[in-house]
Amino acid sequence: EPEVTQTPSHQVTQMGQEVILRCVPISNHLYFYWYRQILGQKVEFLVSFYNNEISEKSEIFDDQFSVERPDGSNFTLKIRSTKLEDSAMYFCASSVIGSMNTEAFFGQGTRLTVV
Amino acid sequence: SQQGEEDPQALSIQEGENATMNCSYKTSINNLQWYRQNSGRGLVHLILIRSNEREKHSGRLRVTLDTSKKSSSLLITASRAADTASYFCATEGGTASKLTFGTGTRLQVTL
Repeated sequence: EPEVTQTPSHQVTQMGQEVILRCVPISNHLYFYWYRQILGQKVEFLVSFYNNEISEKSEIFDDQFSVERPDGSNFTLKIRSTKLEDSAMYFCASSVIGSMNTEAFFGQGTRLTVV
Repeated sequence: SQQGEEDPQALSIQEGENATMNCSYKTSINNLQWYRQNSGRGLVHLILIRSNEREKHSGRLRVTLDTSKKSSSLLITASRAADTASYFCATEGGTASKLTFGTGTRLQVTL
């Protein structure tokens, strides 16, 4: 069964460093998303991406964050200068289309720890 | 309360019993989805119910949706130890496919 894959599964970085989280969405999917979950809290929407553009972003997704689809398969989330509060599980998701009532498939997540 | 509040926060039952989890939300929705998350792992999609549907079944899962009360319930029948996980409701409304997740219910199924 096709799945969304994320790498690495766990990343430890020093405060102020840049990190790139990588995702390979399901191959025929056109919409891509990043969500995050701070330990013990809700899963929160960060950004959606379609046709090489950001479709929507949340208040969390400030100038420190950026997304890119560098090639035909990868979808990346970059955090330019990490803060302690960026420590969270980051989930990538993809869906076939972005219209209503479409299931989003989630990856296993990358646990980011900022020290 | 916030969009997507669930109760109970934690539920402990014995194998074979039924588990019921509830979700309430505040704004209008296109659909409501339930996800499962094993400890420290990814989100697994369980079921999607559209705003014009009232009940949906999938295997041992039964989901109801009451848009007048802005609430949904997830029933897991004949629970198994492997059902132990956190369960989240997520609503999609307005902007396509942006999900707003609830706070989750931690289900513990003991032998």
